[in-house]
Amino acid sequence: GENVEQHPSTLSVQEGDSAVIKCTYSDSASNYFPWYKQELGKGPQLIIDIRSNVGEKKDQRIAVTLNKTAKHFSLHITETQPEDSAVYFCAASIVNTGFQKLVFGTGTRLLVSP
Amino acid sequence: ETGVTQTPRHLVMGMTNKKSLKCEQHLGHNAMYWYKQSAKKPLELMFVYSLEERVENNSVPSRFSPECPNSSHLFLHLHTLQPEDSALYLCASSHKSGTGYTGELFFGEGSRLTVL
Repeated sequence: GENVEQHPSTLSVQEGDSAVIKCTYSDSASNYFPWYKQELGKGPQLIIDIRSNVGEKKDQRIAVTLNKTAKHFSLHITETQPEDSAVYFCAASIVNTGFQKLVFGTGTRLLVSP
Repeated sequence: ETGVTQTPRHLVMGMTNKKSLKCEQHLGHNAMYWYKQSAKKPLELMFVYSLEERVENNSVPSRFSPECPNSSHLFLHLHTLQPEDSALYLCASSHKSGTGYTGELFFGEGSRLTVL
């Protein structure tokens, strides 16, 4: 089955710096890669996703890149702000028509210091 | 009303107790999920209900028993749990569109369970 590894487990940056979180997956059939953000006391929330027919996707300060050959994908946050502090999870799945069967990474705790 | 509501938010129970976690979604979705979140481990998918039919059961011990009476409600019945079952239990929902693609998961805020 699919296995997703995520690094680093913790990341501390200064406000305004960039942050990069990396994930690798094992199943070459996976074709959908979302990123979720979990703030303290809340459930995870989707912030961006990418499908395997696209190499990069950007939404304001957030971007995701995908390298299918190497089976890894990354989240890039530019101009970080204190409100970006949270735990970020990557995930992988095969898009199907029934339900969403995501395999998650172990999470990265991002701390943005003012 | 928030999209996915879970109750209770916190639950402490002994190993011989029977309790239930409740989840309700107000998004009109047709798939609902239970996830277990433990420290330093990936979110673990426990059960999936699609159109009120259980379609996934990831080798979860029988002391966890899900119930989905309709597309808006999902329960997780708990009995004779072990201390290692202490975790955050997250409910989520998603929607199968007309084109067949099932989109993002919408999570509730979770029920923090402590088993003494």
